[in-house]
Amino acid sequence: DAKTTQPNSMESNEEEPVHLPCNHSTISGTDYIHWYRQLPSQGPEYVIHGLTSNVNNRMASLAIAEDRKSSTLILHRATLRDAAVYYCILRDSGAGSYQLTFGKGTKLSVIP
Amino acid sequence: KAGVTQTPRYLIKTRGQQVTLSCSPISGHRSVSWYQQTPGQGLQFLFEYFSETQRNKGNFPGRFSGRQFSNSRSEMNVSTLELGDSALYLCASSFSPGSGVNEQFFGPGTRLTVL
Repeated sequence: DAKTTQPNSMESNEEEPVHLPCNHSTISGTDYIHWYRQLPSQGPEYVIHGLTSNVNNRMASLAIAEDRKSSTLILHRATLRDAAVYYCILRDSGAGSYQLTFGKGTKLSVIP
Repeated sequence: KAGVTQTPRYLIKTRGQQVTLSCSPISGHRSVSWYQQTPGQGLQFLFEYFSETQRNKGNFPGRFSGRQFSNSRSEMNVSTLELGDSALYLCASSFSPGSGVNEQFFGPGTRLTVL
């Protein structure tokens, strides 16, 4: 899978929006952009994924740059429960495997 | 619908012993993957099973093995334990194979400590 680059850590105040960036300059045309997060003492959980268009779900929004070389995960109102490590992962839509290649992710701290 | 369950949640073993961890996927899911998480190496893929067949394997020594049963439940085994095998072992299930689109659902993990 192609490589992604994320900041090591970010901070946000509670109830403010959070924009988590991810760079993936070597993304291929068949790569989907996935986001997972891992809360303390839990397994990772799926957040959102997209290919070209911006995506919204109950947890977050995903904004994808027009050239697809970067994306941003948007949490509209951060809560204390959103404090977690967020992973941006590229997945080939034609991949014959579910293997996820995790980087170091971004550790998000939410300040009350 | 029940989530992915892993047993046991915590395990303490000594060097040289072997260990078996169990994973029950979400009902209807037929693909199971295993990951190892350590502070130094982060989350690393171990192997993936679908329909009782190993589809993919990560870069781990042969001491790490797994299998999947006809009901999709999976086990992983680590033989001749080393101190460095201390880690959180995570299991994840997915509905169907092959697509890079579908999401994986992770269990809470088994925390293995090797003394």
